[in-house]
Amino acid sequence: DGGITQSPKYLFRKEGQNVTLSCEQNLNHDAMYWYRQDPGQGLRLIYYSQIVNDFQKGDIAEGYSVSREKKESFPLTVTSAQKNPTAFYLCASSIAGGGGNEQFFGPGTRLTVL
Amino acid sequence: RKEVEQDPGPFNVPEGATVAFNCTYSNSASQSFFWYRQDCRKEPKLLMSVYSSGNEDGRFTAQLNRASQYISLLIRDSKLSDSATYLCVVRPSGGYNKLIFGAGTRLAVHP
Repeated sequence: DGGITQSPKYLFRKEGQNVTLSCEQNLNHDAMYWYRQDPGQGLRLIYYSQIVNDFQKGDIAEGYSVSREKKESFPLTVTSAQKNPTAFYLCASSIAGGGGNEQFFGPGTRLTVL
Repeated sequence: RKEVEQDPGPFNVPEGATVAFNCTYSNSASQSFFWYRQDCRKEPKLLMSVYSSGNEDGRFTAQLNRASQYISLLIRDSKLSDSATYLCVVRPSGGYNKLIFGAGTRLAVHP
């Protein structure tokens, strides 16, 4: 089955720790995205990548970092510099980064900072 | 002002009812419009795209009014399984596939 997987489903972190969220897709999509969702708010774009070895900041990139070394993988690191990291994190992918290509979402990771 | 605004609801309706959701967007140059559905604690999934001429998919009808910068979703003959949050999504003009999400409208269909 083709799709997007994210792990772990739930993650607990102590303040001051960095943590990495995994996102893998086997859809052969070029473009990948990271969003965060907070209660009562729309999804907000953190980072996106239109092609391997290239990525750009989204609207709320501060305190986050990404890499895109393989087409299938786009891990997100939440650093200790992120002031309010507790949120629902969603990874998405699309065939290409341009145009109105549908974005498909993974099941998400719920991060809680203790 | 938010780029995409929706009434958060909740809309509580009985099975078989017709319900309509509205959404307004601020960027007049926006190019593409969508409705996504998100079940509780799950990922969003595309419900339908919204075209200028309006479009229908079974019990769901979407309308776009570019002059008023307004999008609507009509659900006829509501089912219990329609209970979810409906996200209005807009793609501004520009190069990459950036999407702007509304906060969503929650629908609860009861027996």
